Amino acid sequence: AQKVTQAQTEISVVEKEDVTLDCVYETRDTTYYLFWYKQPPSGELVFLIRRNSFDEQNEISGRYSWNFQKSTSSFNFTITASQVVDSAVYFCALLPGGGNKLTFGTGTQLKVEL
Amino acid sequence: DTGVSQDPRHKITKRGQNVTFRCDPISEHNRLYWYRQTLGQGPEFLTYFQNEAQLEKSRLLSDRFSAERPKGSFSTLEIQRTEQGDSAMYLCASSLGKPREGGTSYNEQFFGPGTRLTVL
Repeated sequence: AQKVTQAQTEISVVEKEDVTLDCVYETRDTTYYLFWYKQPPSGELVFLIRRNSFDEQNEISGRYSWNFQKSTSSFNFTITASQVVDSAVYFCALLPGGGNKLTFGTGTQLKVEL
Repeated sequence: DTGVSQDPRHKITKRGQNVTFRCDPISEHNRLYWYRQTLGQGPEFLTYFQNEAQLEKSRLLSDRFSAERPKGSFSTLEIQRTEQGDSAMYLCASSLGKPREGGTSYNEQFFGPGTRLTVL
């Protein structure tokens, strides 16, 4: 069985602060993929990143960075110098290798205020 | 290509009525997925198609729900005899489903804007 836990329900920060969104997953598969999606108030899920279970290199894309640690089954997401436009619900999701069903966490609502 | 589209964006119906939603995937994608999202929760998988074949259905998909993808392009999701518990956002996604030569990003699912259903 697959499970994704996002323990932080809501985070509020002031613009320009750094913020980290936590994601912990459970799976028995040796090959799997992890994803982060952003859901702004408009409702559309926006794909941010995919990570393979066999590639633990951290990744940076502009103000976004991801820290994947298999030893702790975590795939955390950091936004540096947050902006008001980053306000959204962020979902972490897990896809088993060869599978088709994404398992999502319950999401973290990020509010960035001026 | 402008991405996954869904129609309608909003639907309000009375309990007991039937509703149908449409999803148009990204044109080169052969896999199409339906998810349901209730307030405060992450999306939950309902079903998926590879081309026109429906290959997996969740237990969430009761016999009042039916999905089709007749020509392997667009898909429809019908809910018969709607109930108030059916109120949710219905999301459609698509993916390539197979590796593209020279590329690795084949299983990323790209989502549409969703159809928000309210059953009164």
